[in-house]
Amino acid sequence: AQSVTQPDIHITVSEGASLELRCNYSYGATPYLFWYVQSPGQGLQLLLKYFSGDTLVQGIKGFEAEFKRSQSSFNLRKPSVHWSDAAEYFCAVGARGGGGADGLTFGKGTHLIIQP
Amino acid sequence: DSGVTQTPKHLITATGQRVTLRCSPRSGDLSVYWYQQSLDQGLQFLIQYYNGEERAKGNILERFSAQQFPDLHSELNLSSLELGDSALYFCASSRGGRRSYNEQFFGPGTRLTVL
Repeated sequence: AQSVTQPDIHITVSEGASLELRCNYSYGATPYLFWYVQSPGQGLQLLLKYFSGDTLVQGIKGFEAEFKRSQSSFNLRKPSVHWSDAAEYFCAVGARGGGGADGLTFGKGTHLIIQP
Repeated sequence: DSGVTQTPKHLITATGQRVTLRCSPRSGDLSVYWYQQSLDQGLQFLIQYYNGEERAKGNILERFSAQQFPDLHSELNLSSLELGDSALYFCASSRGGRRSYNEQFFGPGTRLTVL
């Protein structure tokens, strides 16, 4: 079974500074990888996804993530954060291949705080 | 707005009761997924339906059941409710082919409070 680890429960970043949120996964093959964002009282919004191909993927709101097979990681980055980026960020893994569960496995989330 | 709708937004009920949560997927999506988000367990996959049939099961309790109707909307039924069932319940949908993988789009959730 797959698992996802987000090592940082909270991260505080100054507005305008760069951001990197860590995500490590455990899965027997190359999984489908996702980053979602959840603002208070809201549902989850898909930021970006990795299915195959280029290991650097671009998403919405200026976010990007890099898939590193050797490190089983899929870290999320943004060069300059805005106060509106304050939210909870979730990394998720989906299993490849038919026949298995297609539900996503989520990490515990990283709470991002933006300092003015 | 993801295009996935969920009703009701909030639900308050008592232990031992039964409730039904409803989800309408995005237009054209055949797969519906249910997730539970709680402080202890985080976000957990409960169950998936594809075009009216159960496709996959996650950590769904026996007291919980779901179905997907011919118009593709789905309902999650929670019975014999316990305090620990208080959580945010999300529905997600995707295009959902049998041999393809598509991203899931989440609804706004139903917050269930069991007193």
